Amino acid sequence: TQLLEQSPQFLSIQEGENLTVYCNSSSVFSSLQWYRQEPGEGPVLLVTVVTGGEVKKLKRLTFQFGDARKDSSLHITAAQPGDTGLYLCAGAAGGTSYGKLTFGQGTILTVHP
Amino acid sequence: DAGVTQSPTHLIKTRGQQVTLRCSPISGHKSVSWYQQVLGQGPQFIFQYYEKEERGRGNFPDRFSARQFPNYSSELNVNALLLGDSALYLCASSLWTGVNQPQHFGDGTRLSIL
Repeated sequence: TQLLEQSPQFLSIQEGENLTVYCNSSSVFSSLQWYRQEPGEGPVLLVTVVTGGEVKKLKRLTFQFGDARKDSSLHITAAQPGDTGLYLCAGAAGGTSYGKLTFGQGTILTVHP
Repeated sequence: DAGVTQSPTHLIKTRGQQVTLRCSPISGHKSVSWYQQVLGQGPQFIFQYYEKEERGRGNFPDRFSARQFPNYSSELNVNALLLGDSALYLCASSLWTGVNQPQHFGDGTRLSIL
């Protein structure tokens, strides 16, 4: 069974601070996706990383896929209250698993004005 | 373009009852997946369907079943409901079943079991 350990589970910071969320596994994933979920809504895809060592930037968000494709991180620079939400990492195993995603337990981020 | 739509948005059932949840994928998407999200946790994979065939099944009991129709919409059925089935049920669609295909989620059906 593949597992994704996400940390920290909760993060409460002030506007303007930087933060990093980690997603770790002992298993190799073909790709890793990061989602953000607001209360009462479904997860919204932020990025997909596919290649080991890959770094993708989305405005103030930087996503990195580990060289061994077992871990990933999300770094937010100068956080804003609008960044508040549940952040989820999800790995796709590939092979016969097709599109099955294994999710981490999520990081609840609260950014205070 | 319309996103993934799910119905109903909320549902209240009692133990032992049966429930059917519905999902319409994004136009042109042929793959539909179902996930269960219990409060405070990440979503857990239940099923994936592609071209009306089951392509993947998660670790859920046989009380859970699903099907996909010729128009690629899908239904999730849960029989003999238990209190532990209370959760947000999410549907996701993608163009096909490729491992790196981005999955687009609906806003879910909130199922409460009394």
